[in-house]
Amino acid sequence: QSALTQPPSASGSPGQSVTISCTGTSSDVGSYKYVSWYQQHPGKAPKLMIYEVSKRPSGVPDRFSGSKSGNTASLTVSGLQAEDEADYYCSSYAGSNNLGVFGGGTKLTVL
Amino acid sequence: EVQLVESGGVVVQPGGSLRLSCAVSGFTFGDYTMHWVRQAPGQGLEWVSLISWDGRTTLYAGSVKGRFTISRDNDRNSLYLQLNSLRTEDTALYYCAKEPGPHYIYSAMAVWGQGTTVTVSS
Repeated sequence: QSALTQPPSASGSPGQSVTISCTGTSSDVGSYKYVSWYQQHPGKAPKLMIYEVSKRPSGVPDRFSGSKSGNTASLTVSGLQAEDEADYYCSSYAGSNNLGVFGGGTKLTVL
Repeated sequence: EVQLVESGGVVVQPGGSLRLSCAVSGFTFGDYTMHWVRQAPGQGLEWVSLISWDGRTTLYAGSVKGRFTISRDNDRNSLYLQLNSLRTEDTALYYCAKEPGPHYIYSAMAVWGQGTTVTVSS
């Protein structure tokens, strides 16, 4: 069982927006700004899409955005494109005793 | 271009040991905290360990603490993970990854290698 809870699947049509949630606790997501999101295509390494809740690394399209409210973080993908179909994982710093925790992943399908 | 290349993954018996390596290029290795993250077959991601830029701080997930040891050689631009007392549940693809910014202990995993496969089986 993963420390952070994500829906197993999400979907949307091209051009639509979809939001993926990531629920933690006051010991991780709720207490720290170090929430990140990763995209993983089949057979490929994960790619950082969002870090520190809402920062986008260079090269990541601004269609990807992140936010946090309380113990829940969210990744929104706007203007869905076919290449956005992938698994998405959230992660959070969880304190010095349990440093990094991940969600179980969400499979995003572009219909 | 930032590159991370893992090696050392093999098939090993339960109770065995091996050392993984991660050779890096394209950035000032000695300025960045580095991570190991693993992914069991068909499963999600699991953070394993990190080492600070100067090697003074090392941290581990509870599932590997006392069995795995992370280290680095800044002169050789290399990161290592020594895996001891291996269990079948350690079977996974092991990735090394770098922090987004210099001199951060933990923020995120900004750049990942392609991984090296460890299989623990009798």
